[in-house]
Amino acid sequence: EIVLTQSPGTLSLSPGERGTLSCRASQSISSSYLAWYQQKPGQAPRLLIYGASSRATGIPDRFSGSGSGTDFTLTISRLEPEDFAVYYCQQYGSSPPMYSFGQGTKLEIK
Amino acid sequence: QLQLQESGPGLVKPSETLSLTCTVSGASISSSGYYWDWIRKPPGKGLEWIGSSYYSGTTYYNPSLKSRVTISVDTSKNQFSLKVTSVTAADTAMYYCARSYTVFYTFDIWGQGTMVTVSS
Repeated sequence: EIVLTQSPGTLSLSPGERGTLSCRASQSISSSYLAWYQQKPGQAPRLLIYGASSRATGIPDRFSGSGSGTDFTLTISRLEPEDFAVYYCQQYGSSPPMYSFGQGTKLEIK
Repeated sequence: QLQLQESGPGLVKPSETLSLTCTVSGASISSSGYYWDWIRKPPGKGLEWIGSSYYSGTTYYNPSLKSRVTISVDTSKNQFSLKVTSVTAADTAMYYCARSYTVFYTFDIWGQGTMVTVSS
């Protein structure tokens, strides 16, 4: 089973700053199957990034994803007040077919 | 516009069976290329994938839950359902239904979630 480890657990930043969130896999994974989600309190998660670097429909271009192999990054170029939330990375593996999530990074207002 | 809505009891007794239904509106559950999934989030913890079902009946489950979980699709009602047997307090969670897209294997549409508490 592939384990995704996100860091940091909590990131304290101010609006306008750049946010960098990390997701590390316990073994190499296909970047085609690495995604990022945003979850706000009382809401379902929302897909932000798929295929490691492609933005989902309607996602602002201040969100970007990068990485390959075992190390992936979600970058928010200039934080807006509505960006403070919990972020999860997610991967899919085919043997056996299974999805797993990282434990999440909480992005909070400093 | 595709929407998913979970329904079912909010309180289940220990050792009993948790049963939830997800109603799909705005699209056919028989659409090619999409699986129908259940995901949960225990209080204070992260997201856990429970399992997936295709409209044809093909299913995949999280190995950690496989012995207790059944997901099924009812194409006539455009619904899919989740059953978890022999529940304990560890099954207390917000339960989400979601659609997964089999090109990039992501969850692109989610229900709002329903809280299920296991307690006597």
